[in-house]
Amino acid sequence: SQTIHQWPATLVQPVGSPLSLECTVEGTSNPNLYWYRQAAGRGLQLLFYSVGIGQISSEVPQNLSASRPQDRQFILSSKKLLLSDSGFYLCAWGQGSSGNTIYFGEGSWLTVV
Amino acid sequence: GDSVTQMEGPVTLSEEAFLTINCTYTATGYPSLFWYVQYPGEGLQLLLKATKADDKGSNKGFEATYRKETTSFHLEKGSVQVSDSAVYFCALSTDNQGGKLIFGQGTELSVKP
Repeated sequence: SQTIHQWPATLVQPVGSPLSLECTVEGTSNPNLYWYRQAAGRGLQLLFYSVGIGQISSEVPQNLSASRPQDRQFILSSKKLLLSDSGFYLCAWGQGSSGNTIYFGEGSWLTVV
Repeated sequence: GDSVTQMEGPVTLSEEAFLTINCTYTATGYPSLFWYVQYPGEGLQLLLKATKADDKGSNKGFEATYRKETTSFHLEKGSVQVSDSAVYFCALSTDNQGGKLIFGQGTELSVKP
């Protein structure tokens, strides 16, 4: 069966520090991968998605970047965090076409102080 | 562009009450429609989905019918339980969006004993 894991689950980082959130998927090949952010009390915003290794699409301009060094690995990064980067970050995977379910990881709580 | 609009929360109900959470959408293509649920502190789980007009998705006593004529996908449950307390997200995906999910803003449901 397919599984998705992301880590760390929680982190508190000072403003200006770097960030790395990692996500891996098991049990499937060539998935579409997604990073979403959920700010406190708000809905889900798609940040990045990837249809293959090294292919990253950015949905919104921001202080973050994403990379996909391997087929089932997706990394969210920042060189210098801002207070506004605080939120709940969710990695997800799917098989790419409408109607196919997208599956989410457990989420990572980021607090920038 | 494509979008999803949900009724605003929070919604507070007594146990065994009838639940309706309204969801309407705007899409240029023929979307698939989803309801996801987020329990406190967790990631998102698929609750149900429908991939074409007049389909009914159902799971755990929840139902939603894909109504193309009213561009709606309202979530219903006949008798809610305290354990149904969560945030519910309506979402759509279309083939021309590569399977990406576009979410509504979420509706928080609180069920009191």
